[in-house]
Amino acid sequence: EIVLTQSPATLSLSPGERATLSCRASQSVSSYLAWYQQKPGQAPRLLIYDSSNRATGIPARFSGSGSGTDFTLTISSLEPEDFAVYYCQQRSNWITFGQGTRLEIK
Amino acid sequence: EVQLLESGGGLVQPGGSLRLSCAASGFTFSTYAMAWVRQAPGKGLEWVSAISGSGSTTYYGDSVKGRITISRDNSKNLVYLQMNSLRGEDTAPYYCARGRLYGSGTYYSFDKWGQGTMVTVSS
Repeated sequence: EIVLTQSPATLSLSPGERATLSCRASQSVSSYLAWYQQKPGQAPRLLIYDSSNRATGIPARFSGSGSGTDFTLTISSLEPEDFAVYYCQQRSNWITFGQGTRLEIK
Repeated sequence: EVQLLESGGGLVQPGGSLRLSCAASGFTFSTYAMAWVRQAPGKGLEWVSAISGSGSTTYYGDSVKGRITISRDNSKNLVYLQMNSLRGEDTAPYYCARGRLYGSGTYYSFDKWGQGTMVTVSS
């Protein structure tokens, strides 16, 4: 099983700041990595698929990068609605999720 | 507008069975894979099962293999999850999600999600 490790576990930032979230895979997943946002009481929402492709309707402030084992989700300038939990997910070898990064207001 | 509506959750005793349903609308159902993802209380996401658009190919996560069966009825735009021999650790909201390959690969990302149906396994 491919294990995805997300860091940091919690990120405290202010609106307007830049957020950088990391996801590391235990073995190469090529570019088959997605990012999701989940707010309390809601279903996850797909943000980025295949490392760097924004899903339909996702604002341009969200971007993804990486390949192989190291991936990054960047939010260029945080809006109040961006504070949530973020998960990465690989689809290279079966399907696994990372444990999540909580993005909280500082 | 794509909509996924889960139903069938509830309270069941350990060792019991439950069948979840997901009604899909707003897209050509038979051309998309479908999946179930769960989230233990206070925990992260765990993929449970997936099924191809035609229903000919199914996938199961290791923690549920042998106890769960996924199926679909393309004439009714429904996907099902039959769960048997339920355990306390199966307690979670179960989300129905639409699977995407984006032109390559074997397994899916999930671009649309339902709001979930809660399964509680307890005596």
